[in-house]
Amino acid sequence: DAGVTQSPTHLIKTRGQHVTLRCSPISGHKSVSWYQQVLGQGPQFIFQYYEKEERGRGNFPDRFSARQFPNYSSELNVNALLLGDSALYLCASSSDSFWGQYFGPGTRLTVT
Amino acid sequence: AQSVTQPDIHITVSEGASLELRCNYSYGATPYLFWYVQSPGQGLQLLLKYFSGDTLVQGIKGFEAEFKRSQSSFNLRKPSVHWSDAAEYFCAGYNQGGKLIFGQGTELSVKP
Repeated sequence: DAGVTQSPTHLIKTRGQHVTLRCSPISGHKSVSWYQQVLGQGPQFIFQYYEKEERGRGNFPDRFSARQFPNYSSELNVNALLLGDSALYLCASSSDSFWGQYFGPGTRLTVT
Repeated sequence: AQSVTQPDIHITVSEGASLELRCNYSYGATPYLFWYVQSPGQGLQLLLKYFSGDTLVQGIKGFEAEFKRSQSSFNLRKPSVHWSDAAEYFCAGYNQGGKLIFGQGTELSVKP
């Protein structure tokens, strides 16, 4: 079975631009979560979606938004990019809200 | 506040030696706890999880972890380390709000 997939793998953007990151969960998983991992730190929770509804939001500004589609794939959008948004963005899926989460390889975003 | 703490930022062990990575948590109720491993530039791989029941849990790659409520700990162990185990290890747990919280990570180096 395919694991969690994310696209693109790498992305370079300029300050002020916006970006859309995509994630496809493991087949049968209905929950998708997004995390930001800055170099040298553990992942920080951004959003969780379950059955297309937002279940949780981390301490991130309104420039960050997400949605989940009927096929359970998900998008993370970040507007007005700042240099500090440079990070590895990880998507994770799980069969329900509290079961173990399975992570994708991540999207490396660089803001210049 | 609910938190996950990994006291050791970096640990070096010799190949074939035993390993113990420390994790402390602060939660009121029985926590949901996890250990993940991350190789450079990669996503996170789930090693093992604890929800309830037997306090000694077995994971993949020969890892195990023991939940000790009296010490608020969930330490990861492996009896004999292989060079391929060199990576970053993260302990994580769900907080009361249903968000997965990660420790700061422990980088493991393996000496030949």
